[in-house]
Amino acid sequence: NAGVTQTPKFRILKIGQSMTLQCAQDMNHNYMYWYRQDPGMGLKLIYYSVGAGITDKGEVPNGYNVSRSTTEDFPLRLELAAPSQTSVYFCASSLPGGTHEQYFGPGTRLTVT
Amino acid sequence: AQSVTQPDIHITVSEGASLELRCNYSYGATPYLFWYVQSPGQGLQLLLKYFSGDTLVQGIKGFEAEFKRSQSSFNLRKPSVHWSDAAEYFCAVGAADSGYALNFGKGTSLLVTP
Repeated sequence: NAGVTQTPKFRILKIGQSMTLQCAQDMNHNYMYWYRQDPGMGLKLIYYSVGAGITDKGEVPNGYNVSRSTTEDFPLRLELAAPSQTSVYFCASSLPGGTHEQYFGPGTRLTVT
Repeated sequence: AQSVTQPDIHITVSEGASLELRCNYSYGATPYLFWYVQSPGQGLQLLLKYFSGDTLVQGIKGFEAEFKRSQSSFNLRKPSVHWSDAAEYFCAVGAADSGYALNFGKGTSLLVTP
């Protein structure tokens, strides 16, 4: 049981390039989330999904897109990378019901130059 | 919309001393409340959580937190701090209207001195 996995761990992008951050979970969790963490700040929600085929915007969705074709995977797409997207990205998942505890991946550190 | 405030950006305590980290939330309904810890360059580890029941909750590593509805607070405490507790601590609230996504405070950085 690997939990929540994210790839890559680190990435440097040039301005205007695109990339996909991968997130997968093997816990059969319906809910999945993408957050970004900027220095000295807490995490901010980018997108979330309550099940395959269902996604919704969070607080800071501009410049990002997501898809959820399977329960296990929730990739985050960056189109036309900008320096403002330099951040650490965390994926998380949870089960509906109970306390909705979220399980976090190890993060992807992205630098856009 | 819900929000979380952690009034202390930095806190320094001596090893062995007690610790209290403050967290205030704003939310209309009964919140789901969490405390997470993050060591430098690491991911987030859940310390404890609250949704209902006993307002004093116990977590891992000897931490506890008390939910006070009247004060909209969920402060984190530890009776005796260890040097390994030095880290960033985040309070978060989950809301039903956004798939229980977490709204985080800005965090409190804990420094432990010998």
